[in-house]
Amino acid sequence: GAVVSQHPSRVICKSGTSVKIECRSLDFQATTMFWYRQFPKQSLMLMATSNEGSKATYEQGVEKDKFLINHASLTLSTLTVTSAHPEDSSFYICSARQGAAEKLFFGSGTQLSVL
Amino acid sequence: GENVEQHPSTLSVQEGDSAVIKCTYSDSASNYFPWYKQELGKGPQLIIDIRSNVGEKKDQRIAVTLNKTAKHFSLHITETQPEDSAVYFCAASDQAGKSTFGDGTTLTVKP
Repeated sequence: GAVVSQHPSRVICKSGTSVKIECRSLDFQATTMFWYRQFPKQSLMLMATSNEGSKATYEQGVEKDKFLINHASLTLSTLTVTSAHPEDSSFYICSARQGAAEKLFFGSGTQLSVL
Repeated sequence: GENVEQHPSTLSVQEGDSAVIKCTYSDSASNYFPWYKQELGKGPQLIIDIRSNVGEKKDQRIAVTLNKTAKHFSLHITETQPEDSAVYFCAASDQAGKSTFGDGTTLTVKP
């Protein structure tokens, strides 16, 4: 089956620093990738949709200058949390799909803790 | 936009019993309904899905039913095992692939 690799799985950083999270599709070309945020015991909240070679589309209320998304290739998308603050601490998850296929394949998530 | 409601929020069953989780959606344009299992500290994993032109789908102990007219769909797990314990999410997706998730159901299967 399709595999999406997400790294790192856990990161602890100081307030004010930037953190980059990578999402790779290992055995398929991901034309679209999605980034989510999940708080404890809550559902996944879509942050943005990323299409290869074009600018990401952000959901309402998500600051595009704070959460930078790059989808430079068909197998890699990155999410950079800039100038992270404690309120940015959360579980971040990516998903990917191939072309017009309906199935989404999820990464294993990244637990971000900002001190 | 789409709104997905999921019930119950928690479900506890005895090993071997069946578990049923129900979801409703609001947007008739949604045409793809996946179910995901999420274990603690991990990403969601697709366990079964159904498209709007199908009423029922089964995969071993897991089945999903869809009532397009009523806009609700359900997950059925039979012969539950302790390893089925996890958080389960339903979702409704449109043709653009944008998914709206339910709030999740924490399933506990007691040995």
